[in-house]
Amino acid sequence: QKEVEQNSGPLSVPEGAIASLNCTYSDRGSQSFFWYRQYSGKSPELIMSIYSNGDKEDGRFTAQLNKASQYVSLLIRDSQPSDSATYLCAVNYQISNFGNEKLTFGTGTRLTIIP
Amino acid sequence: DGGITQSPKYLFRKEGQNVTLSCEQNLNHDAMYWYRQDPGQGLRLIYYSQIVNDFQKGDIAEGYSVSREKKESFPLTVTSAQKNPTAFYLCASSIEGSSGVFYEQYFGPGTRLTVT
Repeated sequence: QKEVEQNSGPLSVPEGAIASLNCTYSDRGSQSFFWYRQYSGKSPELIMSIYSNGDKEDGRFTAQLNKASQYVSLLIRDSQPSDSATYLCAVNYQISNFGNEKLTFGTGTRLTIIP
Repeated sequence: DGGITQSPKYLFRKEGQNVTLSCEQNLNHDAMYWYRQDPGQGLRLIYYSQIVNDFQKGDIAEGYSVSREKKESFPLTVTSAQKNPTAFYLCASSIEGSSGVFYEQYFGPGTRLTVT
């Protein structure tokens, strides 16, 4: 069973600070990594995708990938109260030799930004 | 506007009844997925389809059925055989990736099903 592990939190961060969310995965063959934000009662919204080792920045969000350590993280700079949500990490894995791929999701980290 | 629609938003059913959840997308995506989310848990894959008229079981397919007669539509039926059907059901779609590359998956707004 392919696994994706996240700290369940809750994680509390003061407004304006950097929020750091972490995720580890078990399948060394995984090549596609995603971060979703889910507000309470709503569906997940894609905020970042990363495919190569290193950092990828998009506005206040930075995704970091280290395939050797099987670790992916999300940094949120200048945290705002609107960033309060549950953040889901998702990782692909191949389920057959015919290229069928699926995503495995972590259980999410609940982030609260304190004004 | 391109996107994924799910209906209804809330659904209430009596135990023993089958119920069908609708999912439609106009993103021209090849692949479509159904997930279930329970409180405090991650998303679990029920069924997925990569092309029309073909679909595969996910991790928790028992008690569910699907069809994919059109590229745009992927309805999910929750049958009376599903032991714990009350959950938040999410439909998603994506471009079909090549081997080893999985492209972004986008979600509809979800259907909250309550069975009593």
